[in-house]
Amino acid sequence: DGGITQSPKYLFRKEGQNVTLSCEQNLNHDAMYWYRQDPGQGLRLIYYSQIVNDFQKGDIAEGYSVSREKKESFPLTVTSAQKNPTAFYLCASSISWTGGGKNIQYFGAGTRLSVL
Amino acid sequence: AQKITQTQPGMFVQEKEAVTLDCTYDTSDPSYGLFWYKQPSSGEMIFLIYQGSYDQQNATEGRYSLNFQKARKSANLVISASQLGDSAMYFCAMRASNAGNNRKLIWGLGTSLAVNP
Repeated sequence: DGGITQSPKYLFRKEGQNVTLSCEQNLNHDAMYWYRQDPGQGLRLIYYSQIVNDFQKGDIAEGYSVSREKKESFPLTVTSAQKNPTAFYLCASSISWTGGGKNIQYFGAGTRLSVL
Repeated sequence: AQKITQTQPGMFVQEKEAVTLDCTYDTSDPSYGLFWYKQPSSGEMIFLIYQGSYDQQNATEGRYSLNFQKARKSANLVISASQLGDSAMYFCAMRASNAGNNRKLIWGLGTSLAVNP
């Protein structure tokens, strides 16, 4: 079955530590996205990638980094510069970044990150 | 400014009854799309239904329908014959172009729906 796989489901970060969240898709989608979700808030865009080897900052990119070396993979690193990393992180993909019509974003099951 | 507003933080509905979740939007772009997603307690965001700004008819997907009133800038989700499994958070989102031609999704804060047996 095609879909988006995020791992791990739960992640704990120690002070000053970088951690990496994995996102893999087998939908053959060009565009991929990382969102952060805090309680009582909507989704906020961290980074997005329109195509392999290209990515753009979203609304809250500070303290995060990404790479897009393969079409299927878009890992997110939460660096020590992110002072409030505790949140639920969702990865998504869509056929393209622009495009007309639906261009639906499909999501993974999420990673819940907590600080020790 | 582009914005999505969901005014109902929480809703209750009796099993087998219909429920309407409100969503109003604001954009100056004549070409936009509206989406509804469901987020159960497990966390995954599940796509439900889409309405394009030029679509002549209201979108329907099984028990989900979208009451699209363009002049009022509203895109309410109607769930017919509610089931216990419909208990979840529901998010309305919009894709439209802003001044920078950035067509990212704009998200509402969500409505929590509880279906009572």
